[in-house]
Amino acid sequence: EVQLVESGGGVVQPGGSLRLSCAASGFSFGNYWMSWVRQAPGKGLEWVANIKQDVSEKYYVESVKGRFTISRDNARNSLFLQMNSLRDEDTAVYYCARDTDCNTRNCRGAAFDYWGQGTQVTVSS
Amino acid sequence: DIWLTQSPLSLPVTLGQPASISCRSSQSLVYSDGETYLNWFQKRPGQSPRRLIYKVSNRDAGVPDRFSGSGSGTDFTLKISRVEADDVGIYYCMQGTHWPQGYTFGQGTKLEIK
Repeated sequence: EVQLVESGGGVVQPGGSLRLSCAASGFSFGNYWMSWVRQAPGKGLEWVANIKQDVSEKYYVESVKGRFTISRDNARNSLFLQMNSLRDEDTAVYYCARDTDCNTRNCRGAAFDYWGQGTQVTVSS
Repeated sequence: DIWLTQSPLSLPVTLGQPASISCRSSQSLVYSDGETYLNWFQKRPGQSPRRLIYKVSNRDAGVPDRFSGSGSGTDFTLKISRVEADDVGIYYCMQGTHWPQGYTFGQGTKLEIK
């Protein structure tokens, strides 16, 4: 059974930092891109970042570029999101989601078939 | 940038009646391989998002056949043939054609029971 379990959320002051983790099990973690997706209060879903299987490619939504860093440890089946310089507008539930198993630039796949339960991040003074 | 526009944003439906949600893209979602990477997700209150449909019309495992997806190019539709109480939530379309540089979700359509 595929499982994704996030942790690391909490309350932080503006300008502060948090590191989110996602523990994966039940599938070959190293064969998949992985993503973070968030949902702010009263707002829709927003893709935040993703990372390729071999960490050679990482992409971010414009609003977090330069502040957030996505990483992974395939040996530990874990995904991470380091969030620095946090702002009020980063307040959201953050979900870890399995992305595609594509490994070539021209490949496309059906992403986000599995999601974690989410972890709450609150940025407030 | 790719924009996905859903309508309606609010959808009150009587139990047992059909429901339909539209998703329109600012650009064609047909990829060079001939496939169209348009997915639909359900977000129930207090739960994680759940993928219902991938590549326009393919139902995920365990999704009731009351749910169906259709469309092509820039216009897509999610239909529920007979709404049940369990269907209450927010429905999102999402494109994966213009990837990996970013996925785009629609604004969401809130389905409620009338």
